[in-house]
Amino acid sequence: GQNIDQPTEMTATEGAIVQINCTYQTSGFNGLFWYQQHAGEAPTFLSYNVLDGLEEKGRFSSFLSRSKGYSYLLLKELQMKDSASYLCAVRGPGNTPLVFGKGTRLSVIA
Amino acid sequence: DTGVSQNPRHKITKRGQNVTFRCDPISEHNRLYWYRQTLGQGPEFLTYFQNEAQLEKSRLLSDRFSAERPKGSFSTLEIQRTEQGDSAMYLCASTKWDRDGAYYEQYFGPGTRLTVT
Repeated sequence: GQNIDQPTEMTATEGAIVQINCTYQTSGFNGLFWYQQHAGEAPTFLSYNVLDGLEEKGRFSSFLSRSKGYSYLLLKELQMKDSASYLCAVRGPGNTPLVFGKGTRLSVIA
Repeated sequence: DTGVSQNPRHKITKRGQNVTFRCDPISEHNRLYWYRQTLGQGPEFLTYFQNEAQLEKSRLLSDRFSAERPKGSFSTLEIQRTEQGDSAMYLCASTKWDRDGAYYEQYFGPGTRLTVT
């Protein structure tokens, strides 16, 4: 089975940096994904990690440590529009369907 | 707009009625997934298709749920004898898959919000 854990809620200030953590226990691993979901909308893809290390894409970066079962999403220069839920999802072996965490609801305040 | 469309966007029905949702994936995508999402939760996998073949069904998918993808293009998800616990957002996602196992992201549709009264 697979278990994914991430904080339920976080609050950060506009212009700041925030790190959203995700830990997972899986019977196999074939990649970790981060999605952003605004209220009432579909999830949109942010990043994908399959090897250890940091992937940077503009203001967003994602890190993976497979030995620790740990990932984080780093958001820099926060903007009000970054207020959303951030979903961590893991893909098991053999291209099995994604298993999502419950999401972290981020509120960006002025 | 991700290129994946779902209809209807909202559906209100009475308990015991049947409902059917439609998903039109991105045309070149051969895999199509259905998820269910309730408030405060992440999407939960229901079932997926590779072309027209249904390859996996979650234990969440009771006998009242059935999904089809008859021509390997659009898909339908039907819920028979709806219950209040079926109230949720039903999300469809599509992706390209090939045998070399290369990664391709899933593109989600806007979802169908079902309310069972």
